[in-house]
Amino acid sequence: GQQLNQSPQSMFIQEGEDVSMNCTSSSIFNTWLWYKQDPGEGPVLLIALYKAGELTSNGRLTAQFGITRKDSFLNISASIPSDVGIYFCAGQSGGNEKLTFGTGTRLTIIP
Amino acid sequence: GAVVSQHPSRVICKSGTSVKIECRSLDFQATTMFWYRQFPKQSLMLMATSNEGSKATYEQGVEKDKFLINHASLTLSTLTVTSAHPEDSSFYICSAVGGRLKDTQYFGPGTRLTVL
Repeated sequence: GQQLNQSPQSMFIQEGEDVSMNCTSSSIFNTWLWYKQDPGEGPVLLIALYKAGELTSNGRLTAQFGITRKDSFLNISASIPSDVGIYFCAGQSGGNEKLTFGTGTRLTIIP
Repeated sequence: GAVVSQHPSRVICKSGTSVKIECRSLDFQATTMFWYRQFPKQSLMLMATSNEGSKATYEQGVEKDKFLINHASLTLSTLTVTSAHPEDSSFYICSAVGGRLKDTQYFGPGTRLTVL
């Protein structure tokens, strides 16, 4: 099945640093979502974006829906140890429609 | 609100046996549920879309006779892996649409299947 291209694949950062990751698609989506998955658990929704150009924040997280509707980015400011995990973007064509997931970005915080 | 549970959380079975995994929306009604499979260090891949009261829609390459899906009520969908083989070992995750944000997919905690 289709997957969205997500980069970087992995990140090793120090606590307190800012993080940026992005997701690109060859096709248009009407909704972009960002999820975090901890080991052995299901994904948890972080941010949902519904309109091209939209910039949305959730605490230290900020995400934007690209103007072309083919990309999105997620920023995490002032990273803390609990930010460790795998972040997935997902695109959706319409409100009850299936999600297409990105390849994931694994975030590791170096002590 | 919008809690999704899965049972069992992990299961080990012998090759050739069938395994049933349940997905429940605990505090909302879900007309649509989705089943995903995730292999180690990989992303989630959609297997099928399950609509209450109708046949599931399977993604290309997913055998419908091997992965039986039943969505008999607005709060329960089941995935049965029939005649399981070691290559079916994976992390199976369901999601349900509904809840407070009605078009949002809420994910279950996943079921780790190991086939010996």
